[in-house]
Amino acid sequence: QKEVEQNSGPLSVPEGAIASLNCTYSDRGSQSFFWYRQYSGKSPELIMFIYSNGDKEDGRFTAQLNKASQYVSLLIRDSQPSDSATYLCAVTPSRAGGTSYGKLTFGQGTILTVHP
Amino acid sequence: ETGVTQTPRHLVMGMTNKKSLKCEQHLGHNAMYWYKQSAKKPLELMFVYSLEERVENNSVPSRFSPECPNSSHLFLHLHTLQPEDSALYLCASSPFEWNQPQHFGDGTRLSIL
Repeated sequence: QKEVEQNSGPLSVPEGAIASLNCTYSDRGSQSFFWYRQYSGKSPELIMFIYSNGDKEDGRFTAQLNKASQYVSLLIRDSQPSDSATYLCAVTPSRAGGTSYGKLTFGQGTILTVHP
Repeated sequence: ETGVTQTPRHLVMGMTNKKSLKCEQHLGHNAMYWYKQSAKKPLELMFVYSLEERVENNSVPSRFSPECPNSSHLFLHLHTLQPEDSALYLCASSPFEWNQPQHFGDGTRLSIL
């Protein structure tokens, strides 16, 4: 079983719709969850992150955590063609707690296409 | 300049060449990372430096040699690379805490002839 798993897609949604991206993780003790957006040929860009204590909303983006089922989701409301990119989920494993640096495990990413 | 800067953006080299990738961060972070990103594969962590000390080396071949002279600069020295080493090499940095996000540079697209 992969540590962090994402459906590679592509996920295609019409402009204005809600895009829902999911990520499952295997380490039950994970406490930090990150979503990055990566345009083709570019580097990953942090969109938002949440900890195990709650969900977060930032503009059109909402990150939600389901600890019991061990998945984290990213909702993009009012999707725009400019949202078309690969979305990477990253998780901090429980064994990283207490270290002085981050240790992220990335999923393979989900390709999102928003069509006009 | 702000953020994380990587040079060069593109590099083409033969298998017998020696070259270096450079990364500089202007965020005041204390940890720096090298990742490899190949097509259709998740980001692979190669090396981690925390306060200029190497704290992780994820079974990376010795033809890749990292160097961190200070908390703002990170190098990846390359020699005798193989065609399968062609990939996007990303540098990232983060604060001195384990649960903070990492911020990436634009990467170096490396092609081995």
